[in-house]
Amino acid sequence: EDQVTQSPEALRLQEGESSSLNCSYTVSGLRGLFWYRQDPGKGPEFLFTLYSAGEEKEKERLKATLTKKESFLHITAPKPEDSATYLCAVQANDYKLSFGAGTTVTVRA
Amino acid sequence: GAGVSQSPSNKVTEKGKDVELRCDPISGHTALYWYRQSLGQGLEFLIYFQGNSAPDKSGLPSDRFSAERTGGSVSTLTIQRTQQEDSAVYLCASSLGEAETQYFGPGTRLLVL
Repeated sequence: EDQVTQSPEALRLQEGESSSLNCSYTVSGLRGLFWYRQDPGKGPEFLFTLYSAGEEKEKERLKATLTKKESFLHITAPKPEDSATYLCAVQANDYKLSFGAGTTVTVRA
Repeated sequence: GAGVSQSPSNKVTEKGKDVELRCDPISGHTALYWYRQSLGQGLEFLIYFQGNSAPDKSGLPSDRFSAERTGGSVSTLTIQRTQQEDSAVYLCASSLGEAETQYFGPGTRLLVL
């Protein structure tokens, strides 16, 4: 069974204080690893897809990396608007997503 | 362009009643997924439709849950004889193809009293 573990559960940052979120996974036949952002009361918003170890993707202050066992989401110089829950999910050959519990990030001005 | 839409946004029902939740996928997307997000838990897969293939129902928690997709577009998730443990946010997602990125709707918040 696919397993996804995210850490930490919660992260409180000062504006401008860079940090990283971790997503550890076990899956048979990884098709892709996905990062989503979820704001309270809304559906998950797609951020990145990573397909193979060594791959990196960037968007504004966010950068996602992938190894064979884990993925990191780096937040550089965060702003209050980066406050959200960040979800990691893996997709195997059955195409459905298996999600971690998420990391709730709070950025204080 | 228009994203995935879901209705209703919120639904309050009494235990034992049936409910129907609707999902309109992004136009042209052939794959459609239903997930459930319970308080304090992660998203869990319920059911998946791809084109005209038989749906993958492996995530449905009981036979009270069913879903259909008409004309390869709109989908309805039906919960019969609702229980309090069915209270959750029901999320729909669609993708261009089964191996493509899934885009989520805003969800339907279901509360069973």
